[in-house]
Amino acid sequence: NAGVTQTPKFRVLKTGQSMTLLCAQDMNHEYMYWYRQDPGMGLRLIHYSVGEGTTAKGEVPDGYNVSRLKKQNFLLGLESAAPSQTSVYFCASSSRQGHEKLFFGSGTQLSVL
Amino acid sequence: DQQVKQNSPSLSVQEGRISILNCDYTNSMFDYFLWYKKYPAEGPTFLISISSIKDKNEDGRFTVFLNKSAKHLSLHIVPSQPGDSAVYFCAASPPGTYKYIFGTGTRLKVLA
Repeated sequence: NAGVTQTPKFRVLKTGQSMTLLCAQDMNHEYMYWYRQDPGMGLRLIHYSVGEGTTAKGEVPDGYNVSRLKKQNFLLGLESAAPSQTSVYFCASSSRQGHEKLFFGSGTQLSVL
Repeated sequence: DQQVKQNSPSLSVQEGRISILNCDYTNSMFDYFLWYKKYPAEGPTFLISISSIKDKNEDGRFTVFLNKSAKHLSLHIVPSQPGDSAVYFCAASPPGTYKYIFGTGTRLKVLA
């Protein structure tokens, strides 16, 4: 009964390094999302996907790229990490548009030095 | 500009009393609202939702009220328990979109 699984849970990067965060869901959900949580800012949508092979920009997409090659996986990439990307990243999925609740993963704590 | 606002960063309530968490939104087209609870080091978990065609929805100790004319919703927890201590986020979904816009959260502390 895994739900939404994020890897890794913690990561420390140096400025300019790259990395990929992996999100996997086993609920056969169509929609997947990446959010970041920062103090005083709530949860802000980075990118999202409405199905395999599709991606779209959210509120704060700059500096990130995503891919959804398989329905169950949604990858978030940082090509050249910056200290402003220090945050907690949450992946979420839902079964349909709009009026369906999001299921969240447990988060990835990322620090960029 | 923040479309979903939670103006109270924190709230403390005595155990057994009512907790009222508030949320305001700016877009009158939002048609679905959700509340999430988040414990430290965990992902947010769904609590309760309400559609814009309703003005109230209950689930056990949790009730959400929606005032469309004021563009305001509130979450009532009665009675409050120490295990309710968490950060609460409200979220809104614009019609015809795949997005959920979250507020900044309110940290609730229930004192034993």
